[in-house]
Amino acid sequence: AQSVAQPEDQVNVAEGNPLTVKCTYSVSGNPYLFWYVQYPNRGLQFLLKYITGDNLVKGSYGFEAEFNKSQTSFHLKKPSALVSDSALYFCAVRRGGANNLFFGTGTRLTVIP
Amino acid sequence: NAGVTQTPKFRILKIGQSMTLQCTQDMNHNYMYWYRQDPGMGLKLIYYSVGAGITDKGEVPNGYNVSRSTTEDFPLRLELAAPSQTSVYFCASSLGAGDTQYFGPGTRLTVL
Repeated sequence: AQSVAQPEDQVNVAEGNPLTVKCTYSVSGNPYLFWYVQYPNRGLQFLLKYITGDNLVKGSYGFEAEFNKSQTSFHLKKPSALVSDSALYFCAVRRGGANNLFFGTGTRLTVIP
Repeated sequence: NAGVTQTPKFRILKIGQSMTLQCTQDMNHNYMYWYRQDPGMGLKLIYYSVGAGITDKGEVPNGYNVSRSTTEDFPLRLELAAPSQTSVYFCASSLGAGDTQYFGPGTRLTVL
């Protein structure tokens, strides 16, 4: 079985402050982990992924995520938030050998000017 | 490069009607997927395909059918529409199973 949890429905952060969007996962074997972003009335856009290697993954638009195997977490981070980062963020996991991803329920990030 | 395209963008159906949601990708991807997105529920996989002629059920396949006669196209058929099928539907594609999925813009379907 595979699942992913995003414990916060909503995250608010002031512009210029660091942001963190949390994700924990449950999967047998080695996980493939993804972050996607969704802007209003748009499809999901890929931000970054972890398959193997360095635990710190850098992605698009200045985002990064840290894979922590012991805590089964893959939190999304950015050092300095922009108002344009306001969107819905989804974490997803794939078990090695599986054909599909399981998505979390999403976290709405609001960056306050 | 169009990526993944979906038609229509919006549709209103009456209970019991049928329709086909179209999805086309021009990236020569082997894998294609259909998801539905309900508020607060994230994305749920309806069906997926690993190549032309091969399809398989996802988490929520009931009330839907798919076919994959070509690499490019992966239509989703709704038979006997029900209010529970009111949702936003996304098609996606990827080169392989563990590769990045690329999403279409979505179809917003309302069943009244």
